Amino acid sequence: GAGVSQSPRYKVAKRGQDVALRCDPISGHVSLFWYQQALGQGPEFLTYFQNEAQLDKSGLPSDRFFAERPEGSVSTLKIQRTQQEDSAVYLCASSIQTSPQETQYFGPGTRLLVL
Amino acid sequence: DQQVKQNSPSLSVQEGRISILNCDYTNSMFDYFLWYKKYPAEGPTFLISISSIKDKNEDGRFTVFLNKSAKHLSLHIVPSQPGDSAVYFCAAPPNSGNTPLVFGKGTRLSVIA
Repeated sequence: GAGVSQSPRYKVAKRGQDVALRCDPISGHVSLFWYQQALGQGPEFLTYFQNEAQLDKSGLPSDRFFAERPEGSVSTLKIQRTQQEDSAVYLCASSIQTSPQETQYFGPGTRLLVL
Repeated sequence: DQQVKQNSPSLSVQEGRISILNCDYTNSMFDYFLWYKKYPAEGPTFLISISSIKDKNEDGRFTVFLNKSAKHLSLHIVPSQPGDSAVYFCAAPPNSGNTPLVFGKGTRLSVIA
């Protein structure tokens, strides 16, 4: 079946613009995660959903970052008033159950460049 | 404070030889570890995992070893193939619930034909 998909794959924004990044998880997957990967670093946790409930948003770097998953499937990560330090690859992952030993399947990421 | 550390940013190995990628962790509460492999412009893909009740897990050419007393794990690839060239991330879930993963910075493996 289809894997995790993300759109857009690349986004260039001017500083101060708002952006919205979309994630389509694998159908039926309960858990959905957003990670931010800066150049030369590993992915770092941003926020996490179980169905439509946002269980943990402790990784969001500022109140300019907002995520939602209103119907428990597709998720959107919104960044308001983008700054240059927001430039990174944003990865979405999903897993079928709520267990730490369930494999997380990653999408290809959205590469955001803020000029 | 990095809880998962991969101290070698890169590694070059000849085709056919063994590749050994290392990972150290600081949180003694970690009880499950994963290795992910990432090609350019793709998301990480799961490779192999190990639970803390084991000290070794093998899957084909890939073996992960866990030394709990040293808080160290390693991924062995043998024999290495050019298609193994990628960035390898060590990761662990910090809690017993379905929590997000904590990743190391990755090691870029280049397998030279």
